[in-house]
Order: sequence, then C-alpha cells, then structure tokens
Amino acid sequence: QVQLVESGGGVVQPGRSLRLSCVASGFTFDYYSMHWVRQTPGKGLEWVAVLSYDGKNQNYADSVQGRFTISRDSSKKTLFLEMDSLRVEDTATYYCGRDATFDIWGQGTMVTVSS
Amino acid sequence: DFQMTQSPSTLAASVGDRVTITCRASESISNWVAWHQQKPGKAPNLLIYKTSTLQSGVPSRFSGGGSGTEFTLTISRLQPEDFATYYCQQYDSYPYTFGQGTKLEIK
Repeated sequence: QVQLVESGGGVVQPGRSLRLSCVASGFTFDYYSMHWVRQTPGKGLEWVAVLSYDGKNQNYADSVQGRFTISRDSSKKTLFLEMDSLRVEDTATYYCGRDATFDIWGQGTMVTVSS
Repeated sequence: DFQMTQSPSTLAASVGDRVTITCRASESISNWVAWHQQKPGKAPNLLIYKTSTLQSGVPSRFSGGGSGTEFTLTISRLQPEDFATYYCQQYDSYPYTFGQGTKLEIK
C-alpha cells in the first residue's frame, strides 16, 4: 500500500526546536522528490520545502528559510523536517507529499507553537 | 512568486449540477497546474495534474482545462461525495503556491 505517515508534531514553546518525520511505504522512495506543506485555517495551504530524489537539491519558502532543514534517509525511507527557532506563526498541520504534484499526501501532523 | 487566485471562495450547488472553479495565475505559466480535493479533517487528495490529466482512480466527471493565466476545474454532475474544498496548485517554479481554496457546499 502506497502511503506516507508523518509523526513528531506536538506543542512547543517559541524559540524551541522540533523534528518531523515522514515514513514512506509501498513505493521506491529514492525515485521521488519529497515535499513538506503546511496548512492553517487562516492561510490555507503553504508550500514549505522540497528535497530532490537524490538528496542533493533543496528549496525553501522564504518564511522558513534559515530556520527549517529538510533531509532524507533512504535506508529508512524517511523524510525529515528539522524546525528550529519556532515561531507562533509556524503553528499548523504539516503534511509531507510525494513529487511535484503531491500525488500522495500523508495524513498530517499538528504543530502548535505557544508559550 | 506566482500567486494563484481562486474563484469563487464558496459555491453552493445541488446534486447533479455542473460547476466550474477558476484559478488565475499572477503571470503566465505553463501546464504545471494541479487540483486537489480536501474533505474536513482529511489530507488533500490529488484529482488532476498537468492542467487536464486525471489522476488514476478519479471519476471522469472531473475535468481540468485552461492555459496561460487561467485554469479551470469542472465537475460535470455533482455527487454527494463531491462536496468538499478544492485547491489549485502551480508547480511551474519554486516556491510552489496554492490557491486559497473553494468550498463547495450543498444548496
């Protein structure tokens, strides 16, 4: 079964860090670029970051550039999002997605940044 | 950055109706436009990619079209399960951007 399963969300104070994981199954992980997208009720869907299939190229939204780092572990078929210096405005549900078209979405993991 | 502006924000329709949602890009883009459906409490789900290509398993009553700066999603005969929120997305260049969503409600 082709699927993505996120984990790692939670409640964290502003300025702290959190690492999200996204485990892939049912397809050849190394063939695909992988993305993170977040969703808030007020701002809708916001693309966050991408990592190329080989892990060599990455790109970030301006809102997270310099604070978030996307990475992948092919041996574990896992995508990560390391989030540092978290802000209240980073509060959202975070989804991982496969390929530029997001043909597969994870179920999402909720991140709340609050003091 | 390419901005994607969807209209309408809310659309009320009845089962069996034909509806069209429009997405306008801030600049002319190629065919790299996708449409996603999202139901409450669930992740989005890809319906159409490359402007008009139906994702595997998606009913044929969904269709996409357009070019340049204007793109459309049409549902030919609304079914009860189609009442949801729809988002367009451009993947022409980074940062990828989504429209603000169109909520399709039962009239």
